[in-house]
Amino acid sequence: SSELTQPPSVSVSPGQTARITCSGDALPRQYTYWYQQKPGQAPVLVIYKDTERPSGIPERFSGSSSGTTATLTISGVPPEDEADYYCQSTDSSGAVVFGGGTKLTVL
Amino acid sequence: QVQLQESGPGLLKASETLSLTCSVSGGSVDRPNYYWSWVRQPPGKGLEWIGYVYYTGSTNYNPSLKSRVTMSMDTSKNQFSLKLTSVTAADTATYYCARSMSVVVNFESWGQGSLVTVSS
Repeated sequence: SSELTQPPSVSVSPGQTARITCSGDALPRQYTYWYQQKPGQAPVLVIYKDTERPSGIPERFSGSSSGTTATLTISGVPPEDEADYYCQSTDSSGAVVFGGGTKLTVL
Repeated sequence: QVQLQESGPGLLKASETLSLTCSVSGGSVDRPNYYWSWVRQPPGKGLEWIGYVYYTGSTNYNPSLKSRVTMSMDTSKNQFSLKLTSVTAADTATYYCARSMSVVVNFESWGQGSLVTVSS
């Protein structure tokens, strides 16, 4: 299956570490990508190829992947990181698949 | 830095054909290794990939939409386009165009999005 499963919501206090997971049977064979989307805005790529961070993305964003689960970690979360986060991968035919999204709340 | 801008009608009636164009500046659509995609997002819901077109004209569509989707390029205008036939209210969404610099498609550049509403 090429489906990706994310928790609907994650809550943290400012300054804590947030971890958002993405599970899928194909993840051992395919890279995971992560996007941040704030209300009314287009998504922004924050992690590519499981662990790489695009230029301009703060170092507090990191990614990892093990087996069928990929994880986006945000260290020392500031209030402005409150957003929806989506994981994305591809299947064997090259088709793109998105996870359902996780709403990160910074209380 | 590449910029993408969607354009097209914002309101359609059920059974009509949705047509959107993405205008690209700061980069050429006919360069190798760039994959030009459409992604949509229904109000309050998640992202759904529609498909991509490559500079050669080859395409790859979401299997769930494949029967209704056509994507093409107009290199003379540096644009690419989306057509989605027989729309219903379920096709109401913000439609984004986006670029990937890898055959393993991921999106490092996005347009601002264009809301398309389908009325029944």
